[in-house]
Amino acid sequence: DIVLTQSPDSLAVSLGERATIKCRSSQSVLYIANKENFLAWYQCKPGQPPRLLMSGATTREFGVPDRFTGSASGTDFTLTISGLQAEDVAVYFCHQYFNPPYTFGQGTKLEIK
Amino acid sequence: QITLKESGPTLVKPTQTLTLTCTLSGFSVSTSEVSVGWIRQPPGKALEWLALISWDDSQRYSPSLRSRLTITKDTSKNQVVLTMSNMDPEDTATYYCARRPLRSPFDYWGLGTLVTVSS
Repeated sequence: DIVLTQSPDSLAVSLGERATIKCRSSQSVLYIANKENFLAWYQCKPGQPPRLLMSGATTREFGVPDRFTGSASGTDFTLTISGLQAEDVAVYFCHQYFNPPYTFGQGTKLEIK
Repeated sequence: QITLKESGPTLVKPTQTLTLTCTLSGFSVSTSEVSVGWIRQPPGKALEWLALISWDDSQRYSPSLRSRLTITKDTSKNQVVLTMSNMDPEDTATYYCARRPLRSPFDYWGLGTLVTVSS
């Protein structure tokens, strides 16, 4: 199984500042045919279904603010939220859809400092 | 407009079998290159993928739960059904169904249904 390890488990960031969440994969999730990493990021808020933020590690979904940015380096992935807003308080999960079983990271809880 | 809606019991007893239904709208369970999966989230814990059924009827399961899961689809009703046998209190979770296009992550999700396992 591909294990995704997120860091940190939780973080508190001041409004307007930058939040950085990391996800390390135990194996490559690179789809060779199109050189795309099959890694996604989700935002989870209480009482709501997960919201897909990023696919292909770096492609922002339609309607996601451009303060959300995804990056990749080998098997290390990063979600950066620039200019944190109150509505960004949530738990964030990375997810690999490269190989079954399709796994998720353990989650990172983002709060306002 | 694409929507998915989960339905089923909110309370089951230990050892019982859980049956959940996902009703699709805005796309068909037979749409080419589209799959529907089930994912669960215990209270305060991480998301866990359970099963996936594809347009061509192929099925995939979480190895750790494979012996307890069955995923099927009903084309006439445009539904996907998940059964999980031998329920345990540790299976208490919000269960989601979600759409997954080929070579893409789960994009549309249902609102989820909370299932509590308790005697």
